Amino acid sequence: GAVVSQHPSRVICKSGTSVKIECRSLDFQATTMFWYRQFPKQSLMLMATSNEGSKATYEQGVEKDKFLINHASLTLSTLTVTSAHPEDSSFYICSARGPAPHEQYFGPGTRLTVT
Amino acid sequence: QQQVKQSPQSLIVQKGGISIINCAYENTAFDYFPWYQQFPGKGPALLIAIRPDVSEKKEGRFTISFNKSAKQFSLHIMDSQPGDSATYFCAARSRLGSARQLTFGSGTQLTVLP
Repeated sequence: GAVVSQHPSRVICKSGTSVKIECRSLDFQATTMFWYRQFPKQSLMLMATSNEGSKATYEQGVEKDKFLINHASLTLSTLTVTSAHPEDSSFYICSARGPAPHEQYFGPGTRLTVT
Repeated sequence: QQQVKQSPQSLIVQKGGISIINCAYENTAFDYFPWYQQFPGKGPALLIAIRPDVSEKKEGRFTISFNKSAKQFSLHIMDSQPGDSATYFCAARSRLGSARQLTFGSGTQLTVLP
């Protein structure tokens, strides 16, 4: 089946530093990738949609200068949280849309803790 | 119009019982309805999905029932097992727009008692 990986699975960083999260589709090419944020016991909140080779489309209320997304290839997208603050602590999940019938597969998530 | 309403918020079922989770939508442009299972600390995993041209889809113990006229769909888990204890999300995707992102329900926390 389609596999999406994320790295790292957990990261702790100090306030003011930047953190990069990688998302890879391992066995398929993903023209579209999505980044979600999830708070405890809540649903997934879409942050942005990225297409390979073009700028990401951010959802309303998501700061594009704070959450930098790069979809450099058909198998790799990265999310960089710049100048992280404790309120950025969350569970970040990427997702990739596969080939027809265009199922959407999720990565295992990255737990970010900003101290 | 983009909302997907999911119920119940939580569900407790005895082992061997049937778990039923319901979702309703308003947007008639939705044409793909997946269900995801999520364990604590993990990403959601695609469980089963249906398109509106069929009224039911079954995969093992999991069945989606779809009622197009009522704009409702549900997940049935037969012979529920403690290992099924997880959070379940329904979702829907519109056939319109270039991004075609998923709209998620609020989730149902299922507990299956041994």
